[in-house]
Amino acid sequence: SAVISQKPSRDICQRGTSLTIQCQVDSQVTMMFWYRQQPGQSLTLIATANQGSEATYESGFVIDKFPISRPNLTFSTLTVSNMSPEDSSIYLCSAVVVGGYTFGSGTRLTVV
Amino acid sequence: DQQVKQNSPSLSVQEGRISILNCDYTNSMFDYFLWYKKYPAEGPTFLISISSIKDKNEDGRFTVFLNKSAKHLSLHIVPSQPGDSAVYFCAASANSNYQLIWGAGTKLIIKP
Repeated sequence: SAVISQKPSRDICQRGTSLTIQCQVDSQVTMMFWYRQQPGQSLTLIATANQGSEATYESGFVIDKFPISRPNLTFSTLTVSNMSPEDSSIYLCSAVVVGGYTFGSGTRLTVV
Repeated sequence: DQQVKQNSPSLSVQEGRISILNCDYTNSMFDYFLWYKKYPAEGPTFLISISSIKDKNEDGRFTVFLNKSAKHLSLHIVPSQPGDSAVYFCAASANSNYQLIWGAGTKLIIKP
């Protein structure tokens, strides 16, 4: 099945800065998702990113804070903008593939 | 409001015995359920799924049971092995919507 390479795997960032997380899929996928997992909580969907259209954001998430790019069928980026300590989480990308879903390995972000 | 709940944050089971992980949901529109396993520093990997037209699905050591009237599903692992130690997530989707709603996960520890 498809494999997603996600990077960086972890980062420690200063508040007020931005971090861009990349996901590269080894095959073409139509639907990709970005999730956040805050400590002790479940995976929460940030947005759905389909190639050729604007990302669709879930309640509580806005494009200015989490801009997403989806330039082609194998790649997507999520930027966490103007970071604060509350943004410290694991960020995870996912794609719909034949037979189900595949996931990146996650990015552990710490904002100091 | 958590639509998918895993009320046990952790579970400890003796090697060779049965592990039972539970998941409850509130949305009656959910028609497809999945279990994922996650090791530290890795993305979730798919284990087993069940659609709402069935009440049981089996794959090797893993069996998922669905009780629609109780809005409850469980994952049985028998016999449990040390390599099963991981965090297990249940997830659900509704009406062929590809978005997954996740539980908070249960950490399974298999004792030798």
